[in-house]
Amino acid sequence: AQSVTQPDIHITVSEGASLELRCNYSYGATPYLFWYVQSPGQGLQLLLKYFSGDTLVQGIKGFEAEFKRSQSSFNLRKPSVHWSDAAEYFCAVGRAGGGNKLTFGTGTQLKVEL
Amino acid sequence: NAGVTQTPKFRILKIGQSMTLQCTQDMNHNYMYWYRQDPGMGLKLIYYSVGAGITDKGEVPNGYNVSRSTTEDFPLRLELAAPSQTSVYFCASSYDTGNQPQHFGDGTRLSIL
Repeated sequence: AQSVTQPDIHITVSEGASLELRCNYSYGATPYLFWYVQSPGQGLQLLLKYFSGDTLVQGIKGFEAEFKRSQSSFNLRKPSVHWSDAAEYFCAVGRAGGGNKLTFGTGTQLKVEL
Repeated sequence: NAGVTQTPKFRILKIGQSMTLQCTQDMNHNYMYWYRQDPGMGLKLIYYSVGAGITDKGEVPNGYNVSRSTTEDFPLRLELAAPSQTSVYFCASSYDTGNQPQHFGDGTRLSIL
């Protein structure tokens, strides 16, 4: 069965500082990997996705993520955080077929200090 | 383009009452999903559907029922509400190819007292 671990429940960074949110997955084959962001009272918005090819993927709002098969990781990064990035971030893993179901991590709450 | 629309946004139920959470999408997606989100637990899949007339259980289906009579609509029904069903419920949809992301509604916050 596939699983996702986000080891950091809360992270606080200063505005303008760099950010890295960790995500580790467990899956037998090449996974489909996603990062979503959730602002308070809102649904989930897709930041970026990885299916195959280049292991460094670019997303919206200046985010990027790197797929490392050897480490079973898909960490999310941003070079310079803005106050508006404060939100909860979810990593998810899926597979082809079977309804494209996703397994989500438990989320990382990001706080940005001004 | 409305995307995925969920109604109501908020609801308070008494134990034992029933209700239907509505979800509709206008993107002509074949795949639709219902999740519940509890603090610190991420999202758990309740039910999903791969097309009209086809539904299947997810990870936490007990206490819920679904139907899919049209491509657009995927209602979730709670028959006998219990306090353990207090949660935020999200509906999502996606295209039916292997690598398409899911698109989410804004959620329904449900409290059972």
